[in-house]
Formats: sequence, C-alpha cells, structure tokens
Amino acid sequence: DTGVSQNPRHKITKRGQNVTFRCDPISEHNRLYWYRQTLGQGPEFLTYFQNEAQLEKSRLLSDRFSAERPKGSFSTLEIQRTEQGDSAMYLCASSHPRQDNEQFFGPGTRLTVL
Amino acid sequence: AQRVTQPEKLLSVFKGAPVELKCNYSYSGSPELFWYVQYSRQRLQLLLRHISRESIKGFTADLNKGETSFHLKKPFAQEEDSAMYYCANTGGSYIPTFGRGTSLIVHP
Repeated sequence: DTGVSQNPRHKITKRGQNVTFRCDPISEHNRLYWYRQTLGQGPEFLTYFQNEAQLEKSRLLSDRFSAERPKGSFSTLEIQRTEQGDSAMYLCASSHPRQDNEQFFGPGTRLTVL
Repeated sequence: AQRVTQPEKLLSVFKGAPVELKCNYSYSGSPELFWYVQYSRQRLQLLLRHISRESIKGFTADLNKGETSFHLKKPFAQEEDSAMYYCANTGGSYIPTFGRGTSLIVHP
C-alpha cells in the first residue's frame, strides 16, 4: 500500500465544464475526507465519508459539488459548471479510528479553471 | 464555530536558533490538537498530536488550556525543518479545523 492516491494530479478546464477527481484511500481506512486548499490557507473541510455513508458536508460545498464513495473504498468528487473561483488544490485524506484520527493525505489534485 | 489561529505566515530563523510556531484555538469542549507538516514537494503529514505527548524530530508542543494554545517548539532549528506547518483541532468530532499555516525558513 503506497498511501492515499489521487487522480489526476493536475486538471485544467474551461469555465462551465464539469470535472471529476478520484481518491483511493489507504486500504481498510473507513473514513475519507475531501478538502480544498487555496493559496495562503490551510485545508478547508468539504465533506466526509464513513464507509460509503456521506456523514457531513460543509457549507462550502455548493450544489455544483457532489461526492460519492459507492463501495466504501475509492471516492469521487465532481464539480459541475466550474467557475474560476473553483481553482484550488483538492486534497483527499483517509483515517482509521485505531490510529487516533491521524489523517493521511494524498498528493492533491490541482484544478485550474480558465 | 471552531477557529484555529496561526498568527505568523512566515517565520525565518538561522540554523541552531530556537523556534516557536504559535497556534491558538477557540473551542469550548475538549480539544484534540495536531501539528501537520508539509515539506517541499511532499504531501501533508502528521508531525505530532497532543495526546501522545511525544517529541518528533526534536519538536514538542504542549497544550495550554488556560491560554487555549498549542505552540510548536524546537530548541535548535535545522535547515531540514524548513517547511509549512499547520495546526489543526479535531476536538469533539472527526473533522479537523486547520489554521492557515506558518512557513518556517531555516537559514544556514
């Protein structure tokens, strides 16, 4: 297991297009998180899954954002009708309760909306 | 709402100097505090957490509930300590609130 992986690493899109990102957590980590990080800021929580259930969503997550984790393993984050303000680094992290809620982060997907 | 404040965006020191990265939190319950570090071109990773009371890479952090602080300290900074440092509070839930980060630069 090489840790949390995210694909793609970079995405450039035009305003109005839809994009989808994928996150593969560490095996057996039942919790999976999505964050957004912009320049000069720390990671901002977007949403959180425990197994396949989406338990919490931030108010930052507008109707254009949707996330799924259908089998409790990998997760996807989709942004519809992208806007320039969506440009950011999107981070995924996973954790397991036996590891005291330590978050293991992926490398992130950098989204640029032109 | 929970807040984690890291007042310094940038901290610049010389090798061998002591370092203190400040973190203050606002939370009425029992905090669960972490320091995460991101070295250049690497992913964010845990440095230490308050419940384990351990020293990692020479860094320590003590929770001060009276001052609602969790400052990160190291007596003698090394060049390899140069990185972004983020303080986070999970207290009461599984969802961490992160500070904006402090960039530590250690000059030779």
